[in-house]
Amino acid sequence: AAGVIQSPRHLIKEKRETATLKCYPIPRHDTVYWYQQGPGQDPQFLISFYEKMQSDKGSIPDRFSAQQFSDYHSELNMSSLELGDSALYFCASSSAGGMFSGNTIYFGEGSWLTVV
Amino acid sequence: AQKITQTQPGMFVQEKEAVTLDCTYDTSDQSYGLFWYKQPSSGEMIFLIYQGSYDEQNATEGRYSLNFQKARKSANLVISASQLGDSAMYFCAYRDDKIIFGKGTRLHILP
Repeated sequence: AAGVIQSPRHLIKEKRETATLKCYPIPRHDTVYWYQQGPGQDPQFLISFYEKMQSDKGSIPDRFSAQQFSDYHSELNMSSLELGDSALYFCASSSAGGMFSGNTIYFGEGSWLTVV
Repeated sequence: AQKITQTQPGMFVQEKEAVTLDCTYDTSDQSYGLFWYKQPSSGEMIFLIYQGSYDEQNATEGRYSLNFQKARKSANLVISASQLGDSAMYFCAYRDDKIIFGKGTRLHILP
């Protein structure tokens, strides 16, 4: 079965550079979530989209932005990168618009970002 | 705000034994979902099991079962007949319109 696809899997950037992470949700999933997991930490919710509109916002820095496109894929743009942005970034997807239901949220394999 | 508590930062269990990973949650919602995810050292977040607040029976998925005690607000994960490949970080998570994770429990299976 198709899963959530994230690219790139690994990324190394220098401070103050810009990075873009891409996420392709499971087919027919209409909701995308982004999470950031620092070393030894639990994943922290950044932002989510339902039907191409932002549906919820968590602890996402102002230097970061994201959007969901007409084909439901999503991109997380990170500018003015800092050393503290080094983390594993997860994208996840679900159906039914993120409303409570029995629909599971499935995660991609993550994108490892290292800022040097 | 909802909160997930996992009180066991780490656990060591002998292979083939059963293991219970604790999870309690704090919510005033009537309708919610609870998840367990496994994160091996490679990093991916693997869905294991789901329990809805209105589900009358405890969820089971193969060797995984969820001991759901709604009145106590606990959702413990039980892994039967543990295997070396079960060594990983395990996260309990609460869902309203997004997932909120606990701090995780690192499980080590000993040969």
